[in-house]
Amino acid sequence: AQKITQTQPGMFVQEKEAVTLDCTYDTSDQSYGLFWYKQPSSGEMIFLIYQGSYDEQNATEGRYSLNFQKARKSANLVISASQLGDSAMYFCAMREWQLTFGSGTQLTVLP
Amino acid sequence: EPEVTQTPSHQVTQMGQEVILRCVPISNHLYFYWYRQILGQKVEFLVSFYNNEISEKSEIFDDQFSVERPDGSNFTLKIRSTKLEDSAMYFCASSVSSGGAETQYFGPGTRLLVL
Repeated sequence: AQKITQTQPGMFVQEKEAVTLDCTYDTSDQSYGLFWYKQPSSGEMIFLIYQGSYDEQNATEGRYSLNFQKARKSANLVISASQLGDSAMYFCAMREWQLTFGSGTQLTVLP
Repeated sequence: EPEVTQTPSHQVTQMGQEVILRCVPISNHLYFYWYRQILGQKVEFLVSFYNNEISEKSEIFDDQFSVERPDGSNFTLKIRSTKLEDSAMYFCASSVSSGGAETQYFGPGTRLLVL
């Protein structure tokens, strides 16, 4: 069974607009972490933002925020004021022990 | 800012050959990991390493693979008798501790091509 599901293989957004990338997860653990990573075309994996299962407030890091809805088991990434450099593959991941990744969403920011 | 480094960035090898992929984790990190990403697919966990021992491994990490921390800074992944399907990007990652709350920081990856 899929532990991390990203249902949007590709997304387009206009520059300067906000975009939400969806992520749902499945776990029976009470303690876990949710992460978003960015993978540009050059291939490296860049850590963006983290949300702990016990955190009551949604995580924010600059233009990135995580819309965490624990009851729905969703951890959507919101990118505000999109920039051309945000065009990349975005992976949601969950950590119970090791990281389990979703299949990713390819985001393209249009000028 | 400290970062995980990996060498080489690209490696081409013949099927059946052995390759060693090298990683230097962030210096105060104690937990080390290898992941792989076959082209166009998701990132997959291979192995985690702590205190000079494998702490967890996936079903992908069979006898063809081994990891080692030969000195105080390097962390290596050895792939014996490479197969065509071993072609992938291999990422090393490290974290301060284990557990759900700990962020793993990834290196830039080694792109392995087996011919």
